[in-house]
Amino acid sequence: DADVTQTPRNRITKTGKRIMLECSQTKGHDRMYWYRQDPGLGLQLIYYSFDVKDINKGEISDGYSVSRQAQAKFSLSLESAIPNQTALYFCATSDPMTGGSLAEQFFGPGTRLTVL
Amino acid sequence: GENVEQHPSTLSVQEGDSAVIKCTYSDSASNYFPWYKQELGKGPQLIIDIRSNVGEKKDQRIAVTLNKTAKHFSLHITETQPEDSAVYFCAATSYSSASKIIFGSGTRLSIRP
Repeated sequence: DADVTQTPRNRITKTGKRIMLECSQTKGHDRMYWYRQDPGLGLQLIYYSFDVKDINKGEISDGYSVSRQAQAKFSLSLESAIPNQTALYFCATSDPMTGGSLAEQFFGPGTRLTVL
Repeated sequence: GENVEQHPSTLSVQEGDSAVIKCTYSDSASNYFPWYKQELGKGPQLIIDIRSNVGEKKDQRIAVTLNKTAKHFSLHITETQPEDSAVYFCAATSYSSASKIIFGSGTRLSIRP
């Protein structure tokens, strides 16, 4: 969805490096999410945020941290990258006004991260 | 917590035939079941959803059925077309889950010409 953008789209890094993945949205949604996608494992929730002052852990938060700089921006950091964090990362947004917890999530195009 | 299992992991059908993808869930509190389609190089996109107070929902060539007793739900695509080739994810969540959707592992659907 063009309204949710992610940078970079591809990144290759080395073990131990700090990496930041950025997500921006123009949809005006309060809720934002970070997911990780591995082959055969579907999408796993890393962190989610309901507004600028709200940060919550998802299923697989260990080794990751996030920052919600503004309503439109939600960043994911890997403090010290390791090879098993090689994956496809997606940012998503939702608008609780359209269905609360059952609202549609809108995904960005993804960031392919490779940790050597 | 919720666990969603999805089968098959890959599916190949002849163009014009039907495709069926099946999912089961474990948490009886789940009451919302969306299906997402992921095309190559893109993020997932919602294609249809169903709530627990409904047994079936259709949208043109796509339909979803829900059996709450058995805790399973299925996606049916009729008259498949090349543009249906993608990865499909089922998911489950509930009003009380704070927007935490649990996704299945995905089905890669290929349409043979």
